[in-house]
Amino acid sequence: EVQLVESGGGLVQPGGSLRLSCGASGFTFGSYWMSWVRQAPGKGLQWVANMKEDGSVAYHADSVKGRFTISRDNARNSLYLQMNSLRVEDTAVYYCAREIPAGACYYDYWGRGTRVTVSS
Amino acid sequence: EIVLTQSPATLSLSPGERATLSCRASQSVSTSLAWYQQKPGQTPRLLISAASNRATGIPTRFSGSGSGTDFTLTISSLEPEDFAVYYCQHYSNFGQGTRLEMK
Repeated sequence: EVQLVESGGGLVQPGGSLRLSCGASGFTFGSYWMSWVRQAPGKGLQWVANMKEDGSVAYHADSVKGRFTISRDNARNSLYLQMNSLRVEDTAVYYCAREIPAGACYYDYWGRGTRVTVSS
Repeated sequence: EIVLTQSPATLSLSPGERATLSCRASQSVSTSLAWYQQKPGQTPRLLISAASNRATGIPTRFSGSGSGTDFTLTISSLEPEDFAVYYCQHYSNFGQGTRLEMK
């Protein structure tokens, strides 16, 4: 069974940092692009970043570019999101999602999410 | 950047009725469009990929159509569990969602 389990969220002050993790199981992690998608309270879905199977290519949304960094460790079946210089508007539930191998960023499995609250 | 506009924002229907949800892209996306369902407190679930391909385990009452800039998600006969928020997606862009509520 495919499972994605996020961790690392919490309450942080503006300007602070957090590192989110996503542990994957039930599939060959190193064979899939992986993404982070977030959802602010009461709002819609927003793509944050994604990374190629081997970690050689990564993309970040303009809203987080220069502040967030996606990475992965295929030996540990884990995806990460390093979040620096956090802003109040980064407050959201952050989901880890697996992209189906169709080359169009469709997400067939999602974790339950980890909540990040940026507040003073 | 491609903008996806979903309509209506809210759709009020009764079980057994047919639901038609729209997603319009600001420029052609060919058939590179997905639909997701999200129930309160739950994670999104992939319903449709490539505009019309039902994902594994999705009931046949869900169907997707369209190409270019205009797409439709149709639920042929609403079940109580279908009342949720629906999102369309093209690559890094999501629509703002349509809330399907029970009348």
